[in-house]
Amino acid sequence: GDSVTQMEGPVTLSEEAFLTINCTYTATGYPSLFWYVQYPGEGLQLLLKATKADDKGSNKGFEATYRKETTSFHLEKGSVQVSDSAVYFCALREGSQGNLIFGKGTKLSVKP
Amino acid sequence: EPEVTQTPSHQVTQMGQEVILRCVPISNHLYFYWYRQILGQKVEFLVSFYNNEISEKSEIFDDQFSVERPDGSNFTLKIRSTKLEDSAMYFCASKYIPTGEAFFGQGTRLTVV
Repeated sequence: GDSVTQMEGPVTLSEEAFLTINCTYTATGYPSLFWYVQYPGEGLQLLLKATKADDKGSNKGFEATYRKETTSFHLEKGSVQVSDSAVYFCALREGSQGNLIFGKGTKLSVKP
Repeated sequence: EPEVTQTPSHQVTQMGQEVILRCVPISNHLYFYWYRQILGQKVEFLVSFYNNEISEKSEIFDDQFSVERPDGSNFTLKIRSTKLEDSAMYFCASKYIPTGEAFFGQGTRLTVV
């Protein structure tokens, strides 16, 4: 079945460092891809998405490009801030039913 | 900004007891979901609900689980006779349309002892 694999955490970075969180997927069709973020004490929030190959999703300085050839959707940010400390979830949605398939989540801690 | 609200934030229950997890979705949303995350594992889909009935459920969602929308605002997940392995964070989500953005609540941490 469909699945999402993302890099194990936790990831600890200094402020202004470059961030990459790897995400790869397995799907039978052409899924939409998402990154969700969970800040401490809050629910999952949509960070960005891409619905077809070569689309780039971006928001709050974060970017991810839908790479069909490598079945990947890696999350990147050029300069992280302390406020980016959170758990990041990669997810896919196959078809129109709306059910999401998530990865395990990667905890990011940014130190001042 | 509208949000999905879940109560309680943390529930501790004894094995074999019934629990009800509550969610108030965003008011004009039509599609409702429950997901769970066992500690250290993936967030897993449990069930989707539309037009007052279950539209899809996963293998996890067995006879022990049920959902309902009793009063047009709350969306509840009932777990009958809880087991230790039901301990997890349970997330509720709602959407206006299936392909729209899913809005999640902050989760209920269920601990079965």
